[in-house]
Amino acid sequence: TQLLEQSPQFLSIQEGENLTVYCNSSSVFSSLQWYRQEPGEGPVLLVTVVTGGEVKKLKRLTFQFGDARKDSSLHITAAQPGDTGLYLCAGHWGGGSEKLVFGKGTKLTVNP
Amino acid sequence: DTGVSQNPRHKITKRGQNVTFRCDPISEHNRLYWYRQTLGQGPEFLTYFQNEAQLEKSRLLSDRFSAERPKGSFSTLEIQRTEQGDSAMYLCASSFPGAYEQYFGPGTRLTVT
Repeated sequence: TQLLEQSPQFLSIQEGENLTVYCNSSSVFSSLQWYRQEPGEGPVLLVTVVTGGEVKKLKRLTFQFGDARKDSSLHITAAQPGDTGLYLCAGHWGGGSEKLVFGKGTKLTVNP
Repeated sequence: DTGVSQNPRHKITKRGQNVTFRCDPISEHNRLYWYRQTLGQGPEFLTYFQNEAQLEKSRLLSDRFSAERPKGSFSTLEIQRTEQGDSAMYLCASSFPGAYEQYFGPGTRLTVT
């Protein structure tokens, strides 16, 4: 069974603080996606990482893929209330399967 | 906006009734996926289509669940004899063949009373 562990599960911070959330597995991914989900809505794709060691930036968000392609992190600089949401990582293992396997998510609250 | 659309957005039904949900993918995408998400969990894969062919099904997709994509465009997911445990958000996603990215619709929230 392929599992993705996300940590922390909950995070409540003040506006302007920095934060990092983590996504870990014992399996190697062929790709990993990060999504953000608001209550009652579907996940919105933020980024895809494919190459070990890859770093991608999206404004104040920095995504890193581990060298061994088993883990990833999302770092947010100077968090804003608009960053509040559920952050989900999802792995694609390939091997003939096209499904994404999701972690349980990190619920982020940024207080003004 | 030509994103993934799902209908209805909300459905309340009584236990034992049948329900059907519809998903319209992004028009250029020939892969379509169904996922289910319960409270406090990430989405779980149910099934996927490439064009009209259903190529992969999860063990979660019991005999009461059936999905179709008859013309390779929109898809329907039917749940027969609903149970309270079927209460969840049902999500549809689509992608280009060979692409890693899957784009999700807004979901259908099912409540079984």
